[in-house]
Amino acid sequence: DQQVKQNSPSLSVQEGRISILNCDYTNSMFDYFLWYKKYPAEGPTFLISISSIKDKNEDGRFTVFLNKSAKHLSLHIVPSQPGDSAVYFCAASARYGGSQGNLIFGKGTKLSVKP
Amino acid sequence: EPEVTQTPSHQVTQMGQEVILRCVPISNHLYFYWYRQILGQKVEFLVSFYNNEISEKSEIFDDQFSVERPDGSNFTLKIRSTKLEDSAMYFCASSGARASSYNEQFFGPGTRLTVL
Repeated sequence: DQQVKQNSPSLSVQEGRISILNCDYTNSMFDYFLWYKKYPAEGPTFLISISSIKDKNEDGRFTVFLNKSAKHLSLHIVPSQPGDSAVYFCAASARYGGSQGNLIFGKGTKLSVKP
Repeated sequence: EPEVTQTPSHQVTQMGQEVILRCVPISNHLYFYWYRQILGQKVEFLVSFYNNEISEKSEIFDDQFSVERPDGSNFTLKIRSTKLEDSAMYFCASSGARASSYNEQFFGPGTRLTVL
């Protein structure tokens, strides 16, 4: 049951260009979405989040866009840097409907930023 | 910057043995979680804990699993009789400086559990 889908297992981008990571979800109860970055042998590191009442949230080089009607969100990184190379996980949560906020993760997209 | 810590970083055990994975959440957080990631698979929710009791658990979290907050700082996950398929990275997370707010979860570095 893939409630959160990241259909691209990998993405390669040139340094300085924009990286766009995509995520789709199926559960309309999700009302909070997060992006995490993960290096090998480390835990996921929180990057940026967005509530379902917004369609955009920006933090420095990172912007998350939410399209509720399409059940789609994306993470834009601009400009991309070699240090951004990692696996990026999309996660979703439903505060209501009985959930206590546990996160449902996608499978991740491995981003490689080439110098 | 406050962070979630986990010990040990790697635990090797024999099938059928009990293991306890330890976590120290961020000190003013109120919600605590355990997740696991089997090699090559997605991160999966196991259990959430709030106000000294389990809030929610997944179907993975069966009777072999238990959680405890024995003191004001530690949060533990116990697996009573480990199985080969319990081999995974186990991540602890915490969130929620304020009970009414909805906050991002901060993850620890993980414990790699290997069951032989």
